[in-house]
Amino acid sequence: EPEVTQTPSHQVTQMGQEVILRCVPISNHLYFYWYRQILGQKVEFLVSFYNNEISEKSEIFDDQFSVERPDGSNFTLKIRSTKLEDSAMYFCASSPALNSNQPQHFGDGTRLSIL
Amino acid sequence: SQQGEEDPQALSIQEGENATMNCSYKTSINNLQWYRQNSGRGLVHLILIRSNEREKHSGRLRVTLDTSKKSSSLLITASRAADTASYFCAKSGATNKLIFGTGTLLAVQP
Repeated sequence: EPEVTQTPSHQVTQMGQEVILRCVPISNHLYFYWYRQILGQKVEFLVSFYNNEISEKSEIFDDQFSVERPDGSNFTLKIRSTKLEDSAMYFCASSPALNSNQPQHFGDGTRLSIL
Repeated sequence: SQQGEEDPQALSIQEGENATMNCSYKTSINNLQWYRQNSGRGLVHLILIRSNEREKHSGRLRVTLDTSKKSSSLLITASRAADTASYFCAKSGATNKLIFGTGTLLAVQP
């Protein structure tokens, strides 16, 4: 069964450094998402992406964050200048269609640790 | 806020017993989805129930939705040790984003 894959599984970065998290969504999916889960807390929506542009973003997704689909397969989340509070699991997800009655398929996540 | 809450926060049962988890929400939804998360892993989609549906089944899973009470429940029948995980409901409204609840940590004792 096709899967969403995320790399790396664990990223350790110094505060203030830039980090790029990578995702390969399921190949025929059109909607892409990033979520994060701070340890012990809820999964929170960050951003959705469709047709090469952001379709919705949360208030967490400030100017330090950006997303990109640099080619036909990858979907990346960049954090420009990391802060301690960016430490979390970051999940990428994809769904097949515009119809919101479609499940989102999640990757295994990248654990981001900011020192 | 659309955020819902699950209860109980934690549930411990014996293998073979049924487990019921509940989810409440505050605003209107297009659908409600249930996910499972094993420790340190990603979210696995279990069932999606649309706002015009009242009940759905998938194997040992049964989900109900009561839009008048703004609540949903997930029933796992004949539980197994492998069902041990956190279970989350997630609501989808007018946009595609999912709003997750707080989750129920289920422990199934062998």
